[in-house]
Amino acid sequence: QKEVEQDPGPLSVPEGAIVSLNCTYSNSAFQYFMWYRQYSRKGPELLMYTYSSGNKEDGRFTAQVDKSSKYISLFIRDSQPSDSATYLCAMSEGDYKLSFGAGTTVTVRA
Amino acid sequence: DGGITQSPKYLFRKEGQNVTLSCEQNLNHDAMYWYRQDPGQGLRLIYYSQIVNDFQKGDIAEGYSVSREKKESFPLTVTSAQKNPTAFYLCASSMGGTTNEKLFFGSGTQLSVL
Repeated sequence: QKEVEQDPGPLSVPEGAIVSLNCTYSNSAFQYFMWYRQYSRKGPELLMYTYSSGNKEDGRFTAQVDKSSKYISLFIRDSQPSDSATYLCAMSEGDYKLSFGAGTTVTVRA
Repeated sequence: DGGITQSPKYLFRKEGQNVTLSCEQNLNHDAMYWYRQDPGQGLRLIYYSQIVNDFQKGDIAEGYSVSREKKESFPLTVTSAQKNPTAFYLCASSMGGTTNEKLFFGSGTQLSVL
């Protein structure tokens, strides 16, 4: 079993829809949770960063962490074609090592 | 313009050949990392360095080597011992060496075998 599981998709939604992405994990020591966005053949860029449980909102993006269920989510409201990318979840105990999900590819249709 | 520069963008390796991927950063970050990305898999850590002249193996270091002679530079050599080198290679840096510091990535190098 992988340490971090992420549904690879692909996910295709119409413009304006809400995109829902999630990851599950097995390591209860994870404390830091991140979402990265990666455009095709580019490096990932940090989108959201959360410490411990709870919600965090930044514009159209909301990240949720439920440590009791070992489950994290990313919601994108009012999705745009420019949101079409691969979204990677990542998490850490707080040392040097990040554990990544495999990534979910999202296409927002105009 | 601050950032991480990886070169080349595309690289081809012949059988038995060593190749070196370049990574330079001007963010004044202490820590630098090399990750490998394969289709359908998460990023996997090859090597990381928290300080000049020091580096540690990650999860998949076999067949790779690195050096950290300057703070700004962290080149990765893919040796002939790496039997399956075809992948997208990503260099990253962070202010410190822990992941409560955010990672910044370069644009990647696609390595293919001829």
